[in-house]
Amino acid sequence: GNSVTQMEGPVTLSEEAFLTINCTYTATGYPSLFWYVQYPGEGLQLLLKATKADDKGSNKGFEATYRKETTSFHLEKGSVQVSDSAVYFCALIPWTGNQFYFGTGTSLTVIP
Amino acid sequence: DSGVTQTPKHLITATGQRVTLRCSPRSGDLSVYWYQQSLDQGLQFLIQYYNGEERAKGNILERFSAQQFPDLHSELNLSSLELGDSALYFCASASGGAVDTQYFGPGTRLTVL
Repeated sequence: GNSVTQMEGPVTLSEEAFLTINCTYTATGYPSLFWYVQYPGEGLQLLLKATKADDKGSNKGFEATYRKETTSFHLEKGSVQVSDSAVYFCALIPWTGNQFYFGTGTSLTVIP
Repeated sequence: DSGVTQTPKHLITATGQRVTLRCSPRSGDLSVYWYQQSLDQGLQFLIQYYNGEERAKGNILERFSAQQFPDLHSELNLSSLELGDSALYFCASASGGAVDTQYFGPGTRLTVL
């Protein structure tokens, strides 16, 4: 079946620290991979995506590389800001379908 | 602002009642997706409509139903409500196709007392 596993939170970092949120997936074929972010009181927003192996998605200083050999799509940012405090969701769409499979979300708090 | 609107923002009702949640997709988007977000189960896909037709079904209870109208807005109907139905309900839209980015609305918070 299709599933996404994210690292457990919550994660608390100091401003300017390096961020990694791990995400691994299980899927048949070649899924598309996504990171969504949910700020407090809001809906989910697309952060970045990658549609094939070795693609790197990037946006607002965040990056994630589609690694087929390790079935991973880890989210990284070199220097986090207080405004990055949110819940981050890893997700996939299998190549055969159009249903999103979301991870459980990882809460990030950045302190000044 | 994603361009997806949902009404109402908040809804408080009693067990056994029926409610309707409404979603208007982004202009030009043909697909509408419904999700339930709760603390214990995370974000669960419920159902998808594409251009008025049901396209995919996820973990949607039989007490729940949805439809998409000719103007492409969608409604999610929840009946015989239980305490456990209290959650955030999100609608998302996409232009269509099997691999596509979804744009989420702000959600409707349902509280069942």
